[in-house]
Amino acid sequence: DIVMTQSPDFLAVSLGERATINCKSSQSVLYSSNNKNYLAWYQQKPGQPPKLLIYWASTRESGVPDRFSGSGSGTDFTLTISSLQAEDVAVYYCQQYYTTPITFGQGTRLEIK
Amino acid sequence: EVQVVESGGGLVQPGGSLRLSCAASGFIFSTYAMNWVRLAPGKGLEWVSAISGGADRTYYTDSVKGRFTVSRDNSRNTLYLQMNSLRVEDTAIYYCAKDGLGTTTSNWFDPWGQGTLVTVSS
Repeated sequence: DIVMTQSPDFLAVSLGERATINCKSSQSVLYSSNNKNYLAWYQQKPGQPPKLLIYWASTRESGVPDRFSGSGSGTDFTLTISSLQAEDVAVYYCQQYYTTPITFGQGTRLEIK
Repeated sequence: EVQVVESGGGLVQPGGSLRLSCAASGFIFSTYAMNWVRLAPGKGLEWVSAISGGADRTYYTDSVKGRFTVSRDNSRNTLYLQMNSLRVEDTAIYYCAKDGLGTTTSNWFDPWGQGTLVTVSS
């Protein structure tokens, strides 16, 4: 199984500042035949289901604010929130869909400092 | 609007059974793989199972193999998860999620339902 490890587990950032969450996979999720990274990011607010933010490691889902961006390739990925807003308080998960079983990172809890 | 709505959760004793349903609308159900993902108390997201659009392929995480069965009725736009031999550690919110790409295997998940709570306790 591909193990996804996020860092940090908890992050507190001031309003308007940048938030950076990292995700590392135990093996590459880059598919050589199409040069795509099989990596997605989700946001989950309390009492709500997860919401898709990013897929193919860097493609922003329609309707997601452009302050959210994804980067990285192979085994190392980053979700960046360029200017933290109050509504961004949530738990963030990375997910690999390169192979089954599909696996998620353990989650990063983001709060306001 | 693309939507999935789960039902069927509840309280069950260890060793018991439960069947979850997921009603889909707003998209051509038979052309998308569908998934079950769970969130246990104090834990992170765990993918449980997937089924291809034509129901010819099914996939499970190791901890539920032989106990859970995923199925779908494309004429009713409904996904199911039959859960047998339930254990305390199966306690979780179970989410139904549509595949984001529409192929035979799972990709990203979008959208997710609101979830249905399964509690396994004596």
